[in-house]
Order: sequence, then structure tokens, then C-alpha cells
Amino acid sequence: DIQMTQSPSSLSASVGDRIIITCRASQSISSSLNWYQQKPGKAPNLLIYAASSLQSGVPLRFSGSGSGTDFTLTISSLQPEDFATYYCQQSYSVPGTFGQGTKVEIK
Amino acid sequence: EVQLVESGGGLVQPGGSLRLSCAASGFTFSSYWMSWVRQAPGKGLEWVANIKQDGSEKYYVDSVKGRFTISRDNAKNSLYLQMNSLRAEDTALYYCARVGVTGTTWDYWGQGTLVTVSS
Repeated sequence: DIQMTQSPSSLSASVGDRIIITCRASQSISSSLNWYQQKPGKAPNLLIYAASSLQSGVPLRFSGSGSGTDFTLTISSLQPEDFATYYCQQSYSVPGTFGQGTKVEIK
Repeated sequence: EVQLVESGGGLVQPGGSLRLSCAASGFTFSSYWMSWVRQAPGKGLEWVANIKQDGSEKYYVDSVKGRFTISRDNAKNSLYLQMNSLRAEDTALYYCARVGVTGTTWDYWGQGTLVTVSS
């Protein structure tokens, strides 16, 4: 199975900050990388697919980049509603493994 | 509006069985692959199983092969997960999720149903 490793595991940031979350795959996955946001007590929500495509309805402050083994999720200006846990997920091969998550907390 | 509503979770003893259901609405259920994804308490996400639109193809994570069976009833717009020989490590919130048209994402999720395996 392909292993997905996110960093950091958690971060503290302020409203308005620019934050970057990284995700590394254990082998090349081309651009088959998705990002999900999960708020406490809620189901995950798809943000980015195919490494850099924004899901419909997702604010433009979210962006994704990368290919091969290294990927990033960037939030350009953190908003109060963005405090959540973020997961990357590879869709290159079955099983579609997830990273361990990055919890974004309020500083 | 797309809606996925899971049911059937509960407390079960190790070795026991449980059947989860997911009622779908707001889209043409028979046109989409569907999945079950689980999340152990305080942990990350783990894909469990996929099923093709007509039920002809099914895939499972290794840890549940031979114990879990995914199925669907397109006439009832419903997805199921039959779970047998349950183990403590199967304790999790089980989500029903729709596979997006690209076949590579989960674009809609239910709110989950909690399965607790404990004596």
C-alpha cells in the first residue's frame, strides 16, 4: 500500500495567516492527490482533487500543488471557519490511503 | 440536494455481526460507485470498501476481506455493509460516501453511524 505522510501533525495559526500543509507519498502518485477538510463531529469535505483542482463551492483561498511524491495545501488567508483537520488522500491505487491528518488550531 | 443517511450502528460483542445501511437521495444512485469509509475514535480516515454502479465489482481493504460484504439495492437507493466476525479494531464511525464522477474522490458523505465492538 502507498503510505501518505503529512506534516506538520498540528499547527497553531491566527486569522489572516497563510499556512501550508505538506503531504508526501511513499512512491510516485502522479497528480492523484486529494485534500479533505474535517470539522469536529462532521463528515469530511472535499476541497481539492487531482492535486490542484478546486472542488465546486470551495473558497479561492484554498489551493493545492505538487506532483509525483510531494504535495502542498495552502490557505492564503486563514478564516475562522478554516480551523479544522485536513487530510490528504492518494487516488493512484487501491486502497486509497489517507495521511494521518493535520489539525489547524487557533493561536 | 444530495443526502446520504447511515443507520444500523451499535454495540456488538467481538465475533458478532452487524449490517449497516445507507439511504441515498437527491441524485441518480444507480449511476455512481459508492463506498464505505471508517474513522476510529480520535483517529484518521480509512477506506473500507467500494461497489460499482451495478454491483458487479467490489473491492475491500485487506483487513476486512472475508468478513465484510458491501452490497447495494438500486431500486431502493440503498447501500449496505454486512459486517461479520467483528473485532475490537473495527470500532469506528462508518461513513457512506459517493464516489465522484472522476472515480478518484469522495464528493459527498453521510454523517456516519458508530459501530462499537466490545464485550
